[in-house]
Amino acid sequence: QSVLTQPPSVSAAPGQRVTISCSGTSSNIGNNYVSWFQQFPGTAPKLLIYDNHKRPSGIPDRISGSKSGTSATLDITGLQTGDEADYYCGVWDSSLSAVVFGGGTKLTVL
Amino acid sequence: QVQLVQSGAEVKRPGSSVKVSCKASGGSFSNFGFSWVRQAPAQGLEWMGGSIPIFPAPNYAQRFQGRVTITADESTGTAYMELSSLTPDDTAVYYCTRGLRGGFDIWGQGTLVTVS
Repeated sequence: QSVLTQPPSVSAAPGQRVTISCSGTSSNIGNNYVSWFQQFPGTAPKLLIYDNHKRPSGIPDRISGSKSGTSATLDITGLQTGDEADYYCGVWDSSLSAVVFGGGTKLTVL
Repeated sequence: QVQLVQSGAEVKRPGSSVKVSCKASGGSFSNFGFSWVRQAPAQGLEWMGGSIPIFPAPNYAQRFQGRVTITADESTGTAYMELSSLTPDDTAVYYCTRGLRGGFDIWGQGTLVTVS
């Protein structure tokens, strides 16, 4: 059971928009910065979003992140087949003194 | 650009220990924090602990306390993660990554540890 709650799967057609949610508490999302990661099978995770909404160099602006209260959201617009992957949210938990991750969301581009 | 290169796959017996290395190249090592994250087969990501080499005290996730040791050799730019009292549940890919409390921007390629 993960500390952060993500939907197990989401799907959408190419060119459409998808939103992935990440729900936590005041000990984690509510008072700390959220990161989002993309992972393809057999490869290491890749940072997509840090500090709730910032994109590292090279991440396209069709990928965005936001946070409200104890929930965070990853938005991907203009979906491409190459976006099919697993997506994880992660954040520091002040009560646990540990980084916690969501269980991951599998994105399928139909 | 900093790159993290990890040691190769390991097969271990239950009850033994494993030590995985992570060498940083292409940039300063001592001033940035690094963490170890593991991923069991078909499972999600799990943070084990992290450290900043210039500070002496690593931070460990509670469930690994007493069983994991994270160290760093600044002279070689290499970080290490040692996990003891291995069980089959410790079978996983172990990643080192740059960052201490999130924003993990650089990852090693992963090291598969099989306990059998």
